[in-house]
Amino acid sequence: GEQVEQLPSSLIVQEGASVLINCSYTDSASVYFPWYKQEPGKRLQFIIDIRSNMERKQTQRLTLLFDKKTKHLSLHITATQPGDSAIYFCSACIDRGSALGRLHFGAGTQLIVIP
Amino acid sequence: EAAVTQSPRNKVTVTGGNVTLSCRQTNSHNYMYWYRQDTGHGLRLIHYSYGAGNLQIGDVPDGYKATRTTQEDFFLLLELASPSQTSLYFCASSEDKYSQNTLYFGAGTRLSVL
Repeated sequence: GEQVEQLPSSLIVQEGASVLINCSYTDSASVYFPWYKQEPGKRLQFIIDIRSNMERKQTQRLTLLFDKKTKHLSLHITATQPGDSAIYFCSACIDRGSALGRLHFGAGTQLIVIP
Repeated sequence: EAAVTQSPRNKVTVTGGNVTLSCRQTNSHNYMYWYRQDTGHGLRLIHYSYGAGNLQIGDVPDGYKATRTTQEDFFLLLELASPSQTSLYFCASSEDKYSQNTLYFGAGTRLSVL
């Protein structure tokens, strides 16, 4: 089945720095890639997504890049703030048969932003 | 914003015990999901449902049963709990299961099986 891998598993940066979180997947039938954020003690929340017919999507300080050929995504966060401290999850949604719509999550990247 | 409420928030049981985790969503969403979150594995889908009375098997269903009694309520049952089921459990709902569909998560239930 689909395997989603994220790197790095953790990041510690100074406030104001930019960070890059990498994500790779294995199943070429994956067509939709939402990202979720889990702040300490809080529920997961959707932050950004991209479809396989796109290469780039940006919202505020988040930029999501997608490379269909290499099955790779990267989430770029600029001007980090302590409020960005959270676990970030990449996920992939397969668009085929019985697996239609099922989300497969990566293990998460823990980001700590030091004031 | 979508509201998904889980109960209890914390639960401790013993090996072989019987546990029921509850989830209610008040957004008229069709789909509901149960995930477990473990360090190093991310979230893994246990069971999901697309309506009252429906149940679909996820990726890690062994040892779990689920039941969707109404559109709002989805339960996860551990009838013979084992230490390997110690985990953080999340319920989620979505309007549909197709692409471009956002999941709304509950706050989680932390289960410890001693």
